[in-house]
Amino acid sequence: DQQVKQNSPSLSVQEGRISILNCDYTNSMFDYFLWYKKYPAEGPTFLISISSIKDKNEDGRFTVFLNKSAKHLSLHIVPSQPGDSAVYFCAASEGNNDMRFGAGTRLTVKP
Amino acid sequence: DAGITQSPRHKVTETGTPVTLRCHQTENHRYMYWYRQDPGHGLRLIHYSYGVKDTDKGEVSDGYSVSRSKTEDFLLTLESATSSQTSVYFCAIMGRQGGGYTFGSGTRLTVV
Repeated sequence: DQQVKQNSPSLSVQEGRISILNCDYTNSMFDYFLWYKKYPAEGPTFLISISSIKDKNEDGRFTVFLNKSAKHLSLHIVPSQPGDSAVYFCAASEGNNDMRFGAGTRLTVKP
Repeated sequence: DAGITQSPRHKVTETGTPVTLRCHQTENHRYMYWYRQDPGHGLRLIHYSYGVKDTDKGEVSDGYSVSRSKTEDFLLTLESATSSQTSVYFCAIMGRQGGGYTFGSGTRLTVV
């Protein structure tokens, strides 16, 4: 029972363009959503979060959008840089505990 | 970064043998978690702890046990390893409010 889904296993974009990573969830009780970034042989690192009372949160080049009615969130990276190439995990929880993760999307930013 | 270390980093073991993975934190966080990462599944919660001697099951707890005798250490034990437990295991602590979890660097376990 995968409550958080990332349907695109991979995404390739050109340097300088926008990267859009998508995530869908099924549990309407989730009220806290996060994105993590993971490089090979390292643990995931926190990138950005959003609570259910907001529909947008921005941090530099990274913006997360939340559409509660569609149970959908997305991560926008503008402009994309080669160093952004990594696996991105979407996560959701009720509160900040028992966090559920998606399967991840591998982003490749080409110079 | 937050002080969280996992040991060992890599381990190869035989089916049927017991294995213990260690997670050590220096941040005095109350909550600690064990996840496994597998292709197509992302990260799945095995067990978590909300204090010394206080633990609970996650979504994939079968075949695993945990112990937390000190705040800084959270141990994950595979009583009798199986090939399906070949995975990368991550320990995490709850970071600052709104900051999500902080993960260790992972343990790659291979059961042959």
